[in-house]
Amino acid sequence: EIVLTQSPGTLSLSPGERATLSCRASQSVSSRYLAWYQQKPGQAPRLLIYGASSRATGIPDRFSGSGSGTDFTLTISRLEPEDFAVYYCQQYGSSLLTFGQGTRLEIK
Amino acid sequence: QVQLVESGGGVVQPGRSLRLSCAASGFTFNNYALHWVRQAPGKGLEWVAVISYDGNFKYYADSVKGRFTISRDNSKITLFLQMDSLRTEDTAVYFCARDPGGLTRYYYFDYWGQGTLVTVSS
Repeated sequence: EIVLTQSPGTLSLSPGERATLSCRASQSVSSRYLAWYQQKPGQAPRLLIYGASSRATGIPDRFSGSGSGTDFTLTISRLEPEDFAVYYCQQYGSSLLTFGQGTRLEIK
Repeated sequence: QVQLVESGGGVVQPGRSLRLSCAASGFTFNNYALHWVRQAPGKGLEWVAVISYDGNFKYYADSVKGRFTISRDNSKITLFLQMDSLRTEDTAVYFCARDPGGLTRYYYFDYWGQGTLVTVSS
């Protein structure tokens, strides 16, 4: 099973700042099968990025994804108040889907 | 618009069974694979199972294999999760989610339901 480790666990930033979230895999992951989600309290997750770098429909261009192999990054260029939430990376490989443990992005 | 609405959650004793449903609308149901994903209270996300567009391919997480059964009724535009031999560690919100791969599978989730809470407790 591929384990995804997200860092940091919690990120405290102010609106307007840049956020960089990391997702590291225990084995190489095909970029085709790496996605990012945003989840707010009491809500279902929302797809942000698929294929490591493609934005989902309706996602603002301040969200971007990058990376390959075992290291992937979600970047939010200028934080808006509605961006403070928990973010998960997710991969598919060897017939199993796994999620990272999440990064909580909180207002500083 | 695409909508997924789960139902069937509740409180159940360990060892008992429960059946979840997910009613879909706003897309051609029998053209997409579907998944169940769960989230224990205050915890992260865990993938549970996937079923192909026609129901002929099913795959499960090791944690539920042999106890849970995913199925679908394309005539009723509904996804199901039969959960048997429930354990306290199965307590979670269960989400159904669409795989955007169409007749294939991309193994990520573009639309999610709001979830239904299953509590396993004596």
